[in-house]
Amino acid sequence: ELKVEQNPLFLSMQEGKNYTIYCNYSTTSDRLYWYRQDPGKSLESLFVLLSNGAVKQEGRLMASLDTKARLSTLHITAAVHDLSATYFCAVDDFGNEKLTFGTGTRLTIIP
Amino acid sequence: DAGITQSPRHKVTETGTPVTLRCHQTENHRYMYWYRQDPGHGLRLIHYSYGVKDTDKGEVSDGYSVSRSKTEDFLLTLESATSSQTSVYFCAISESWNTGELFFGEGSRLTVL
Repeated sequence: ELKVEQNPLFLSMQEGKNYTIYCNYSTTSDRLYWYRQDPGKSLESLFVLLSNGAVKQEGRLMASLDTKARLSTLHITAAVHDLSATYFCAVDDFGNEKLTFGTGTRLTIIP
Repeated sequence: DAGITQSPRHKVTETGTPVTLRCHQTENHRYMYWYRQDPGHGLRLIHYSYGVKDTDKGEVSDGYSVSRSKTEDFLLTLESATSSQTSVYFCAISESWNTGELFFGEGSRLTVL
C-alpha cells in the first residue's frame, strides 16, 4: 500500500523567512503533484512533477522531485501572508490511475 | 477554471437515510474521482471512474457506491448514512492519466446526525 507522508504537519513562520515542506512516499513513482487549499475552499493544482530531478517554480514557491530518495520538497522563499494555506502532495499510485494524498501541511505566515 | 459542479453543496441528514451526491463536469474528461477529506487524514479516495460504466474502488469504499451513466455525471451514493460518513466530499476530474493532474470541484459538506 502506498504511503505518503508530509512534514511538518503544521508550520508557523514569519514573513520574509524561507522554509521547506517535505513529502516522502513509499513506492516507486516518478510522478508527484502539489496542491494548495485555502480554508473552506477547494484544492488548486500548483505543480506537476513528472520525472526524477524535475524542478518547477512559481513565484515564491519551488518544488522538486528526487525519485531515488522518494522525496519531494516544496520550498518557500521570503514568505508572504498570501501563502498561508494547506499544502498537499499527492503521488501517482503507479499504474493504478489514481493519486494518493499526504495529510497536508498547514502553513501560517505571521506578519 | 475547470467546469465541475457538485450538488448539493451542503446537506444534513439522519443516520440510516440514503444520500446521493452528484458531480457534473463540462470538460468531457475521461477520469472522475470521489474523495473525502477529514482532519488528520488528508484526502482519501472513495471510488473512481475511468469511463462510462467503468468504475473501481478506492481505499475507503465501504458504505459507498457510485454510478456513471454519462461522461459528464458521476454519482456517489451512501445507501444508509452513518455518522462516520460526516465529511467533506470532493469530486475531481482528469483528462489524461499520463499527466494525472486533478481538477477539483468546490466540495460537498455532509453532516450525518
